[in-house]
Amino acid sequence: GNSVTQMEGPVTLSEEAFLTINCTYTATGYPSLFWYVQYPGEGLQLLLKATKADDKGSNKGFEATYRKETTSFHLEKGSVQVSDSAVYFCALSPPSGGSYIPTFGRGTSLIVHP
Amino acid sequence: ETGVTQTPRHLVMGMTNKKSLKCEQHLGHNAMYWYKQSAKKPLELMFVYSLEERVENNSVPSRFSPECPNSSHLFLHLHTLQPEDSALYLCASSQAGPLSGANVLTFGAGSRLTVL
Repeated sequence: GNSVTQMEGPVTLSEEAFLTINCTYTATGYPSLFWYVQYPGEGLQLLLKATKADDKGSNKGFEATYRKETTSFHLEKGSVQVSDSAVYFCALSPPSGGSYIPTFGRGTSLIVHP
Repeated sequence: ETGVTQTPRHLVMGMTNKKSLKCEQHLGHNAMYWYKQSAKKPLELMFVYSLEERVENNSVPSRFSPECPNSSHLFLHLHTLQPEDSALYLCASSQAGPLSGANVLTFGAGSRLTVL
């Protein structure tokens, strides 16, 4: 079956530090890959996505590249802010033609200190 | 109103109570989902409805009963819950189907449930 593995948190950084949150996946075919973010007291919201190999998703200074050869979709940001403190979820949805129900990772909490 | 709206945002109930959580989406989506989010646990998929038909039921106890009267509304009826059912219940919707490709979910803000 499909699965998503994220690095354990929490990740604690100082403001303006570089961020990497690792995500690897297991799936048949070519799934679509996503990062969702959950701010305190809110639901999840889509941060970025990539639908095919070598695609780079980007939004709000965050980036992630779909790497088929390493089955990875690591999230990066060059300079984090306190307002980026949240829980980040990596997810995949299967390719067309099968079950469309997405699979989520366990989430990685990010804490950014001033 | 746009997006996915969940009510109530907070609910406290006793183990013998009956209550319902409501979810409404104004996005024209054809699939709706219930997830349970507990502290220090992965997100748990509970139910999925596609075109008002239940397509997924992840071994959820019968004290949770979903209802999807139309493609815009989803309910979770709660009956005789246990303290371990205390969690954040998230509703989501998407435009989904076997040919839809990337299935992006839009989530509501959640209903925080406390069972005493």
